[in-house]
Amino acid sequence: DQQVKQNSPSLSVQEGRISILNCDYTNSMFDYFLWYKKYPAEGPTFLISISSIKDKNEDGRFTVFLNKSSKHLSLHIVPSQPGDSAVYFCAASDRGSRLTFGEGTQLTVNP
Amino acid sequence: DVKVTQSSRYLVKRTGEKVFLECVQDMDHENMFWYRQDPGLGLRLIYFSYDVKMKEKGDIPEGYSVSREKKERFSLILESASTNQTSMYLCASTGGTRAGELFFGEGSRLTVL
Repeated sequence: DQQVKQNSPSLSVQEGRISILNCDYTNSMFDYFLWYKKYPAEGPTFLISISSIKDKNEDGRFTVFLNKSSKHLSLHIVPSQPGDSAVYFCAASDRGSRLTFGEGTQLTVNP
Repeated sequence: DVKVTQSSRYLVKRTGEKVFLECVQDMDHENMFWYRQDPGLGLRLIYFSYDVKMKEKGDIPEGYSVSREKKERFSLILESASTNQTSMYLCASTGGTRAGELFFGEGSRLTVL
């Protein structure tokens, strides 16, 4: 039972354009959502998060949007840079620090 | 900077062998986790621990056990390795101010032949 789903295994965009990574969840008890970035041969690193009381959180080039009614969140990267090429994992938590992760999306930003 | 160190980056073991994966964190975090990462499946939680000598099963604990004798160290044990345990294993810790913000080690790539 995959409670957090990232339906796109891969995404390719041109440098300077917007990257939009999507994530859907099924568990209505989730109240905190995070995005992690993972480079090859490294562990994932925290990128940005959002609480369920908000619908948007911004940090520099990265913005996360949350739509609770559709149980959907997205990560926008503007402008995309080649160094953003990595696997992005969506994760969700219900009040605690135990996270449920999605399958990941490989983002490739072409120069 | 938070440092989570995993003892081995790459291991090759034979079916039936006992395997120890060790993880040490240097930030006095209470919570530690073991995940495995497989293509198309994301990160799946094996076991976690909220305190010394305390452990709880995650989503896929079968075939694994853990040990937490000291706060900074969390070990994952495969009592009898099988080929379907070939995977990338990731240790993480948290205790920071942001709920759910895990700090991960670099991972241990285990191949079971």
